[in-house]
Amino acid sequence: GENVEQHPSTLSVQEGDSAVIKCTYSDSASNYFPWYKQELGKGPQLIIDIRSNVGEKKDQRIAVTLNKTAKHFSLHITETQPEDSAVYFCAASIFSGGYNKLIFGAGTRLAVHP
Amino acid sequence: DAGVTQSPTHLIKTRGQHVTLRCSPISGHKSVSWYQQVLGQGPQFIFQYYEKEERGRGNFPDRFSARQFPNYSSELNVNALLLGDSALYLCASSEQGRGYSNQPQHFGDGTRLSIL
Repeated sequence: GENVEQHPSTLSVQEGDSAVIKCTYSDSASNYFPWYKQELGKGPQLIIDIRSNVGEKKDQRIAVTLNKTAKHFSLHITETQPEDSAVYFCAASIFSGGYNKLIFGAGTRLAVHP
Repeated sequence: DAGVTQSPTHLIKTRGQHVTLRCSPISGHKSVSWYQQVLGQGPQFIFQYYEKEERGRGNFPDRFSARQFPNYSSELNVNALLLGDSALYLCASSEQGRGYSNQPQHFGDGTRLSIL
């Protein structure tokens, strides 16, 4: 069945360090991979996404890589800041039958310490 | 520009009651999806609606239903509430339409539903 595994579940880093979150998906038909940041009391906020025809995408301090063969994708945050502290979710999506649904990982709680 | 708006923000119900949650998509977005997020987990897909029709449904019982209106806003209805329905209900909108590839989904802040 459709499944996304996400690791680690918690991550603690010092301000200025890098943080890496890894996800694995099960359905090889998945072709769109967004990442969301969720702060307390808020809904998930889209921070970056990547499509299956691209191997890497960067946006300032964040980057996402995709290995279709291994069905892995990762989020990299460089020069972390305290405001990066939040829960991060990866997701995989297939567009099929005229609709798409996001299959989410279980989330990674990132804590950035000053 | 206004993002996805949901109402109410919080709701308390008792077992057996029914509830209606509301969502207004981002202006110009014609597709609305609903997700359930249980505490400590990732969101789970319930429905996707486009042009007032249900286009896809997740693994949820028939007690869950929804509809989309001509202005693309949407309502989620849950009947015969169970304790296990306590969760954050999220609405997401996108430009998704027939023939489109995956389009980014943008979420509202959700409705926190508590069942006593």
